[in-house]
Amino acid sequence: NAGVTQTPKFQVLKTGQSMTLQCAQDMNHEYMSWYRQDPGMGLRLIHYSVGAGITDQGEVPNGYNVSRSTTEDFPLRLLSAAPSQTSVYFCASSPTTGVNTEAFFGQGTRLTVV
Amino acid sequence: AQSVTQPDIHITVSEGASLELRCNYSYGATPYLFWYVQSPGQGLQLLLKYFSGDTLVQGIKGFEAEFKRSQSSFNLRKPSVHWSDAAEYFCASYNFNKFYFGSGTKLNVKP
Repeated sequence: NAGVTQTPKFQVLKTGQSMTLQCAQDMNHEYMSWYRQDPGMGLRLIHYSVGAGITDQGEVPNGYNVSRSTTEDFPLRLLSAAPSQTSVYFCASSPTTGVNTEAFFGQGTRLTVV
Repeated sequence: AQSVTQPDIHITVSEGASLELRCNYSYGATPYLFWYVQSPGQGLQLLLKYFSGDTLVQGIKGFEAEFKRSQSSFNLRKPSVHWSDAAEYFCASYNFNKFYFGSGTKLNVKP
């Protein structure tokens, strides 16, 4: 059981480049989300999705786009990378609501923008 | 807005000593509450969660947490710390399809 899979694990971008961080889950979870982790700031929500075709903004959405065409995949796109987007990015999935909800995390993508 | 506060950025304890990591939440109703652990270079692993009922919840690796509504707290405890417990710990709450994370507490374990 793979759980939540993120690719790539490491990436270096030049300012202005674009790229897509991939996230896939095999648990049939409706809810998926993207976070960025910066020192001393915990995890901050970028975008989330409650099901295929439905996305919404989180706490820090600027500079990022998402789409959800399937239940399994939730890619995060950086349109024009900036040094401020240097961070560790985590994708998570969870059952939508209820007492069984918990977030299952991928291993993270460490992104450096130079 | 909902928020989670972890007042301790770093904590150092000796191996075998007891541990308590603090977490405070701000939300009118009883939230769903979680503790996650992150080892260096890894993702987050769930230690335990609280939704309702008994205020003392047991988790994996010998951890437990107590929900205190009067103090808006959900502190994590372990009676005897092992060197392998050195990691960063995150408290989180969940409501309306969003998880809210604290800033984390890094635990260092002295031999």
